[in-house]
Amino acid sequence: NAGVMQNPRHLVRRRGQEARLRCSPMKGHSHVYWYRQLPEEGLKFMVYLQKENIIDESGMPKERFSAEFPKEGPSILRIQQVVRGDSAAYFCASSPRRTETGEQYFGPGTRLTVT
Amino acid sequence: KNEVEQSPQNLTAQEGEFITINCSYSVGISALHWLQQHPGGGIVSLFMLSSGKKKHGRLIATINIQEKHSSLHITASHPRDSAVYICAVKSQTSGSRLTFGEGTQLTVNP
Repeated sequence: NAGVMQNPRHLVRRRGQEARLRCSPMKGHSHVYWYRQLPEEGLKFMVYLQKENIIDESGMPKERFSAEFPKEGPSILRIQQVVRGDSAAYFCASSPRRTETGEQYFGPGTRLTVT
Repeated sequence: KNEVEQSPQNLTAQEGEFITINCSYSVGISALHWLQQHPGGGIVSLFMLSSGKKKHGRLIATINIQEKHSSLHITASHPRDSAVYICAVKSQTSGSRLTFGEGTQLTVNP
């Protein structure tokens, strides 16, 4: 059973370009979480999605960031018009259901560098 | 003030030493997680606790719900234990998401 997969693992974008980060959850998992780790900082929650639904986007910046988890295919975190401050590691995690314990499985992360 | 505080931020030890990393939190929780992150690497879940104590190999995690405090212990530390250790909580009111501490950078020298 493959784990959570993220691609690309490393992404370099120039200021103003768009970044698309993909997350394929573990087989049988229908809940996906995105977290961001800025340099020298801890992980911060961004968004929680179920298939075709955004459940909680309270951690998403108000502009330029969006996320989706379609019925078929991976979850996508999209950052439009990237700026240097978007450089960070973006992790996704998945769970089979909404859990009381918060148990979830993390992917390897995508390291975004904005030049 | 962060909801989850870890100490120390950085820890250097000699191989074989007993190591303790602490985590305090300020909210009611359903569970607490200890995670490990190697440099440039992914995040691995070590423990999930809601009460008491768990042990896996040389790693021991304890939690005191009344005091809102957890500790991660590593016995007979080894250089391969060098990593960032992260405490995360699932609060009772935050849905399924986790809230993280800043992490403790552990370096074990041979």
